[in-house]
Amino acid sequence: DVKVTQSSRYLVKRTGEKVFLECVQDMDHENMFWYRQDPGLGLRLIYFSYDVKMKEKGDIPEGYSVSREKKERFSLILESASTNQTSMYLCLSGGRGTEAFFGQGTRLTVV
Amino acid sequence: AQKVTQAQTEISVVEKEDVTLDCVYETRDTTYYLFWYKQPPSGELVFLIRRNSFDEQNEISGRYSWNFQKSTSSFNFTITASQVVDSAVYFCALSESSWGKLQFGAGTQVVVTP
Repeated sequence: DVKVTQSSRYLVKRTGEKVFLECVQDMDHENMFWYRQDPGLGLRLIYFSYDVKMKEKGDIPEGYSVSREKKERFSLILESASTNQTSMYLCLSGGRGTEAFFGQGTRLTVV
Repeated sequence: AQKVTQAQTEISVVEKEDVTLDCVYETRDTTYYLFWYKQPPSGELVFLIRRNSFDEQNEISGRYSWNFQKSTSSFNFTITASQVVDSAVYFCALSESSWGKLQFGAGTQVVVTP
């Protein structure tokens, strides 16, 4: 059974905090992605990675960074959380020539 | 430019009716992949199907079927004999040759009432 696991389902953080969202996959996929989903704005790509230590900016990278030290793990970092980063964050693993699966999502609230 | 268009924002049906969700995509690549996902009220996005650009065969999986037509750049999804559990938002997505990132349509909300 394929699995993409995000570290938290719900998270509440304070403005200015550094926030780490973790995503782990067990399918040996090269490609991993971070999206955020907001009402009326759909799914927007933040960053993606096609290999260990490789990263590419998506459509809305500002205020975020990522880390991929191991193939199975892709971390999204909010350097200094702000209220406009309150959102549902979704990790996706796969794509291109393979099936692509989402994690369960992390609903982040920044207060 | 919008690469994936799901023109239907919401579709409401009564249980046991069939419902078809439209997806039109735009790409210049000859090799690409199309996906459908379901997002029930719980919020998790569930993978339904992946189809590559060289395989135009229609696919059926239980009550779900997909119609891929390259000539019209469409990848439509039909739910036959809908059930209340089919109530969800359905997303169509396109993955082109570069890096494989998925570009999503805006989604179609399906509401099935008993």
